[in-house]
Order: sequence, then C-alpha cells, then structure tokens
Amino acid sequence: SYELTQPPSVSVSPGQTARITCSGDALPEKYAYWYQQKSGQAPVLVSYEDIKRPSGIPERFSGSSSGTLATLTIRGAQVEDEADYYCFSTDNSGKPSYVFGTGTKVTVL
Amino acid sequence: QVQLVQSGAEVKKPGASVKVSCKTSGYTFTDYYMHWVRQAPGQGLEWLGWINPNSGATIYAQKFQDRVTLTRDTSVSTAYMELSRLRFDDTALYYCVREAYDWGQGTLVTVSS
Repeated sequence: SYELTQPPSVSVSPGQTARITCSGDALPEKYAYWYQQKSGQAPVLVSYEDIKRPSGIPERFSGSSSGTLATLTIRGAQVEDEADYYCFSTDNSGKPSYVFGTGTKVTVL
Repeated sequence: QVQLVQSGAEVKKPGASVKVSCKTSGYTFTDYYMHWVRQAPGQGLEWLGWINPNSGATIYAQKFQDRVTLTRDTSVSTAYMELSRLRFDDTALYYCVREAYDWGQGTLVTVSS
C-alpha cells in the first residue's frame, strides 16, 4: 500500500525556520495537504494543494513540493507552533486512496 | 459557518458494530466529499475512506475494505460511518472531514469486554 514518510521529530529555536518533509512516490502528480495537531485537539489544515494557505493561518506557514518531496516550512517559528504535523495525499491508482504521513513532532525551544 | 457535529461516545464489545453520524450545516452537503479518519490513543492519523454525498459512491482504505461502510442521508445532510466486527485495537477517536478542510469534533469509540 502507498506510504508517505515524514521525519519523527524536528526541533527549532524560536524565531528560526523549521522544515518538515513528506516523501511519497505519487507526490509529483498529487497534491499534498498539511495538518497541525496540538495536544488534545482536532487537526487543523495549515496548507493545501501543495502551496495554498487557508484563511486565518499565519503567513509563516508555507507549503512547497518538488518531485517526490513535499515540504511544510515554518518561518520564524513560535512557541505556539509546537505540535504534531501530518501530510496527507493520495496514490495515483485509478480509484484514489488517501493516506496520512507518519507524523512529525515539532518542538520549539 | 461550516459545522460538522458528530454523535456521542460509544462503548462496544468485541465483535459488535458501531455507527457514527456526522450532521453537517453551513454548506451544500452534496457539493463536498466526506472523509472518515481515526486516531488511536497516542497514535497518528489513519484514513478509513471517503464518500461522495451526491452519488453515494465510496472508496475505502484497503485495510478496512471488509469492515467499514460509509453512507449518507441527503435529506438531513448527515454522513455515517459503520465499523463492524470490532476489535480492541479499534478503540480510537473517529472524525468526519469535509474534503480536506473542516473536521468534526470526533467521536470516541471504546472497544472493551
């Protein structure tokens, strides 16, 4: 079955840049979505269709994609950005089946 | 505004079935696919499947192909997820998700003898 691979953890100092990667064979053809999940809360969409940002999401969050790698970048990370982050995408079979990435714990300290 | 309100927590015995509802408002129900996602305690997000509320067509994750059924009732703008032959490791928070954007509050399903 299709898999999306993320690093288990990323650490960043406040004000610095964090990059979270998501690797998948179908990403050159399929959009990536990114979710932020803080402890005890439902996930929140922070990036969609590779590069778009939902309204209300701070500009420091940006998505990009190149080849088989999608990336969520947090520029000027804040303490409140500490959370789990998941990518989400679909395979390129005839009946698209979605999958979440393995998840990345971002620590800001 | 868009709202997805899910049914309340459930406790089931192994082998039983559970049906979770997701009542929507604030948008045209038939215009957006509905995903179902779960998260076991301390674990990551897992996709179960999705339904086209307009046609009723469904696609399921291979892992759940024989146990999950997604349906909808357009007259009440509500989507449903039924999981059968429950096992202990089905204990999780179950979410409905409008396209990729809006999430319900989650429904805790506990499988316990």
